[in-house]
Amino acid sequence: DQQVKQNSPSLSVQEGRISILNCDYTNSMFDYFLWYKKYPAEGPTFLISISSIKDKNEDGRFTVFLNKSAKHLSLHIVPSQPGDSAVYFCAASANKLSGGTSYGKLTFGQGTILTVHP
Amino acid sequence: DAGITQSPRYKITETGRQVTLMCHQTWSHSYMFWYRQDLGHGLRLIYYSAAADITDKGEVPDGYVVSRSKTENFPLTLESATRSQTSVYFCASSGQSTYGYTFGSGTRLTVV
Repeated sequence: DQQVKQNSPSLSVQEGRISILNCDYTNSMFDYFLWYKKYPAEGPTFLISISSIKDKNEDGRFTVFLNKSAKHLSLHIVPSQPGDSAVYFCAASANKLSGGTSYGKLTFGQGTILTVHP
Repeated sequence: DAGITQSPRYKITETGRQVTLMCHQTWSHSYMFWYRQDLGHGLRLIYYSAAADITDKGEVPDGYVVSRSKTENFPLTLESATRSQTSVYFCASSGQSTYGYTFGSGTRLTVV
């Protein structure tokens, strides 16, 4: 049972345009969500996160949107750059007692390969 | 150097052999994790540890054994390697933060 799903295995975008990566989850206990970025031959690195008490979090070119009623989150990258080409994983955790931090188990999606063309 | 390191980076082993993947972190993080990455499955949790001498199964624990006698080390052992265990293995650690995990660079294991 895949609790976190990224239904698009790949996404191709032109440089300067918006990239939108989507993620759906089924476990209503999830209250903290993260996006990780992974380059080949490296470990995933943290990109941005959002707590379930918010519906949007922005960090520079990256914005994460959370729609709790739809159990859906998305990552927007504007403008996209060739260096953004990587695999993006969304992840979720259930940490209602953690005060908004995430130190417990993370459940990951399958990943989406983003390619940004010059 | 501070950080989380995995060794070896690459390993080829034969079916039935025992192999141990090493993970070491220097932050004294309480939580440590082992994930495997496979095409179409993303990252799946094998085992995790909340503290020294406390470990628990994740989503795909069969065929794996872990131990955590010291906070900084979390080795993963494949007791009798099978071809289905060919994968990239990532170790991660977590302090109580908004950044989730910090991952190692991974070990690419091939079982022939």
